[in-house]
Amino acid sequence: SQTIHQWPATLVQPVGSPLSLECTVEGTSNPNLYWYRQAAGRGLQLLFYSVGIGQISSEVPQNLSASRPQDRQFILSSKKLLLSDSGFYLCACQRGLTPLHFGNGTRLTVT
Amino acid sequence: GESVGLHLPTLSVQEGDNSIINCAYSNSASDYFIWYKQESGKGPQFIIDIRSNMDKRQGQRVTVLLNKTVKHLSLQIAATQPGDSAVYFCAENDYAGGTSYGKLTFGQGTILTVHP
Repeated sequence: SQTIHQWPATLVQPVGSPLSLECTVEGTSNPNLYWYRQAAGRGLQLLFYSVGIGQISSEVPQNLSASRPQDRQFILSSKKLLLSDSGFYLCACQRGLTPLHFGNGTRLTVT
Repeated sequence: GESVGLHLPTLSVQEGDNSIINCAYSNSASDYFIWYKQESGKGPQFIIDIRSNMDKRQGQRVTVLLNKTVKHLSLQIAATQPGDSAVYFCAENDYAGGTSYGKLTFGQGTILTVHP
């Protein structure tokens, strides 16, 4: 079965600093990859998804970007963090008609 | 945009009771529905899913019911255990409309607390 690795688990960054969150997937090939964000006490919101290397679709306008340099690697980035970027960031993968499977997330606090 | 919502934000039950968590959705084009369990500090964990050509699906101690007429989804947990305490999310997708299977619209979540 597939395994999603996300790191770091927690991160505290000052406003205006850059961000790079990495997600790697094991146990599957050619997955669809997703970045979701969860605000405190809220549901999940889709930020980006990718159906292949170099292919990124953005769901909401924001201060973040995503890249997929390898088949099983998905990166979430920002050049300058805002306070509103704080949240719980979840990487997820899915293939064919299988359910979406999530990693354990990165808790980002922007101070 | 259209959204998926939950009727009750919290639910408290006694160990051994059955739990029912409800969800309303507004997108009549939705054809795939899924329930997740999320424990504190962890990512959501898949519980069960159902496609719109079905109105009931059973798993181990869980049952999902879908009522397309009133756009209502429910998750039933039998013999609830303390380990079932978590936040439960419903989510939907209109896959037949060309939406990627992993592009889910989530509800706000229900906190389930199971008392021993």
